[in-house]
Amino acid sequence: DAKTTQPPSMDCAEGRAANLPCNHSTISGNEYVYWYRQIHSQGPQYIIHGLKNNETNEMASLIITEDRKSSTLILPHATLRDTAVYYCIVNLIPDYKLSFGAGTTVTVRA
Amino acid sequence: NAGVTQTPKFQVLKTGQSMTLQCAQDMNHNSMYWYRQDPGMGLRLIYYSASEGTTDKGEVPNGYNVSRLNKREFSLRLESAAPSQTSVYFCASSEVWASGGDNEQFFGPGTRLTVL
Repeated sequence: DAKTTQPPSMDCAEGRAANLPCNHSTISGNEYVYWYRQIHSQGPQYIIHGLKNNETNEMASLIITEDRKSSTLILPHATLRDTAVYYCIVNLIPDYKLSFGAGTTVTVRA
Repeated sequence: NAGVTQTPKFQVLKTGQSMTLQCAQDMNHNSMYWYRQDPGMGLRLIYYSASEGTTDKGEVPNGYNVSRLNKREFSLRLESAAPSQTSVYFCASSEVWASGGDNEQFFGPGTRLTVL
């Protein structure tokens, strides 16, 4: 599986968009990009995933570059409840294994 | 739906003791997983079960055994606990489609295990 690189931490103001970068320069053509988050030692929570196209759901948007070597997770209007560790993962479908790195600790400030 | 449930929530063991962590899901998922998370680190896969009747090793299987009791339940056993197994253990389940699509994993609340 491809490795990912994320900044260790970032701050965001409440109500503003939070843009979380992820580098996955060794991603292969059939690997998906997944984002999960973990709020204060709870079990991780799925956010979104994509292959080539940009994706949007009720939680976030995922922007994948054309060469697929990097992506950005966008939380459009961050709230204090979005404070969490965010994990960017590349996963081969139908591989069963998700490899979690250290993630990005996002702190949303009032 | 309860989703993924885990028991117990907390456990303290002495070195050499054994115990079984229980996990159950009510989403009719085929695949189930056990992860561990050490302080300040990401999750590491211990074992997984792609479907009922099958189990496979993950990244850190040493010192653990698993049983896929039926489609709903997947247990993790520590035969002789060691302090290095002090961690938070998460169970997860998913429905993986061979033709592509989601591998969204649903996680339980975790079991916090301390081995003295």
